[in-house]
Amino acid sequence: DVVMTQSPLSLPVTLGQPASISCRSSQSLVYSDGNTYLNWFQQRPGQSPRRLIYKVSNRDSGVPDRFSGSGSGTDFTLKISRVEAEDVEVYYCMQTTHWPYTFGQGTKLEIK
Amino acid sequence: VQLVESGGGLVQPGGSLRLSCAASGFTFSISWMHWVRQAPGKGLEWVANIKEDGSAKYYVDSVEGRFTISRDNAKNSLYLQMNSLRAEDTAVYFCGRILRGSSGSHWGQGTLVTVSS
Repeated sequence: DVVMTQSPLSLPVTLGQPASISCRSSQSLVYSDGNTYLNWFQQRPGQSPRRLIYKVSNRDSGVPDRFSGSGSGTDFTLKISRVEAEDVEVYYCMQTTHWPYTFGQGTKLEIK
Repeated sequence: VQLVESGGGLVQPGGSLRLSCAASGFTFSISWMHWVRQAPGKGLEWVANIKEDGSAKYYVDSVEGRFTISRDNAKNSLYLQMNSLRAEDTAVYFCGRILRGSSGSHWGQGTLVTVSS
C-alpha cells in the first residue's frame, strides 16, 4: 500500500500569515494516464471532509484562492497564503492513484 | 447533492451490520462511490469503493473478506455489509463521491458504528 506521510502533524499559525503542509508518498503518484491523483481535504471535528484540491493543484469549486497545491511525483505541498480563522481545521492529503486509496495522518492547524 | 447514511449502531464483536447511503442531486448511476471511516479521535481511512455498474470493487486490506460494498442504481443507493465486526471497526462511516479528475467531492454526514460487548 502507498504510505502518505504528512508533516508537520501540528502547525501553529498566525492569522493573516502563510502556512504550508507537506505530504510525501512512498511511491510515485503518477498514473498510467499521465495524471497525478493527489488530493487535499479539510475537515472540521465531527463533520464530513471537504475536498480542496484535486490532481495536485486544481481547486474544487467554491474553494478560496488562498489555498493552493503544488508538487510532483512523491512530494506535495498545500499552501494557505493568508490563514483565516475559518481555516483552523485538520488537513489530509489523499492519493487516488493506487489501490487501496490512502490518506495521510492529518495536520492540525492551531492558532499560535 | 445529498448523501444520507443510515444503519449505524451498537453491535457485539463478531456481529454484522448493513450501512445504507441514499444519494440525490447527481447522476448516481455514472459515479464511482466510496466508503471512508474515521475512528474516534483518529484520521480518515478509505474503506472501499465500487464502480458505476458494480462490476469492480476494491477494499482496504483490513476489511477484505469481511465487508462487501454494493449498490442499487435503480434506488440511488449504496450499501456496506459488514460481517465479523471487530472493536477496531468502531468508527464514523461516511459515504462519498470523489471525482478523481475534475471538481466534485461530496460526503454524507456519517453514521456511527460501535463494536463493543
